[in-house]
Amino acid sequence: GENVEQHPSTLSVQEGDSAVIKCTYSDSASNYFPWYKQELGKRPQLIIDIRSNVGEKKDQRIAVTLNKTAKHFSLHITETQPEDSAVYFCAASRTGTASKLTFGTGTRLQVTL
Amino acid sequence: DSGVTQTPKHLITATGQRVTLRCSPRSGDLSVYWYQQSLDQGLQFLIQYYNGEERAKGNILERFSAQQFPDLHSELNLSSLELGDSALYFCASSPRDTQTYEQYFGPGTRLTVT
Repeated sequence: GENVEQHPSTLSVQEGDSAVIKCTYSDSASNYFPWYKQELGKRPQLIIDIRSNVGEKKDQRIAVTLNKTAKHFSLHITETQPEDSAVYFCAASRTGTASKLTFGTGTRLQVTL
Repeated sequence: DSGVTQTPKHLITATGQRVTLRCSPRSGDLSVYWYQQSLDQGLQFLIQYYNGEERAKGNILERFSAQQFPDLHSELNLSSLELGDSALYFCASSPRDTQTYEQYFGPGTRLTVT
């Protein structure tokens, strides 16, 4: 089955700096890669996703890049703000009616003032 | 608010007991997913139902079972509970049958087994 590894497990940056979280996956047939943000005590929420037919996607201060050859994808947050502090999860899935979304183990991002 | 509701919010029970967690998906969503989130395990996919039928299975224990009813709400039954079953259980829903679209998570049920 799919295996998703996520690094780093914790990340501390100063407000205004950039943050990068990296994930690798094992199933070459995976073609959907979402990122979820989970604030303390709250539910996970999708912040951005990318499909395998594109290499990069941006949404304001957030971007995701995908390298299918190397089987890795990354989340980039620019101009970090205190409200970006949360746990971020990457995930991977393939299309198909029995597909399963496999999550990474999470990165705890702390944005300090 | 995602539109997905889960009850109860908290549940405290003893080892060996059985509990039922309930989830109501967003209006119009046909898929319901169940996840277990432990401190050291991240989000583990348990099972998916689509329009009343089981669609995909993850690392769900035999002591656990689920179903989706005609009104599309779902229940996750956990039996012979062990201390290690203590976790946050999330339900999520989506309009499609594949897991390649956004899933909307409920607020979760925190289960504590003592």
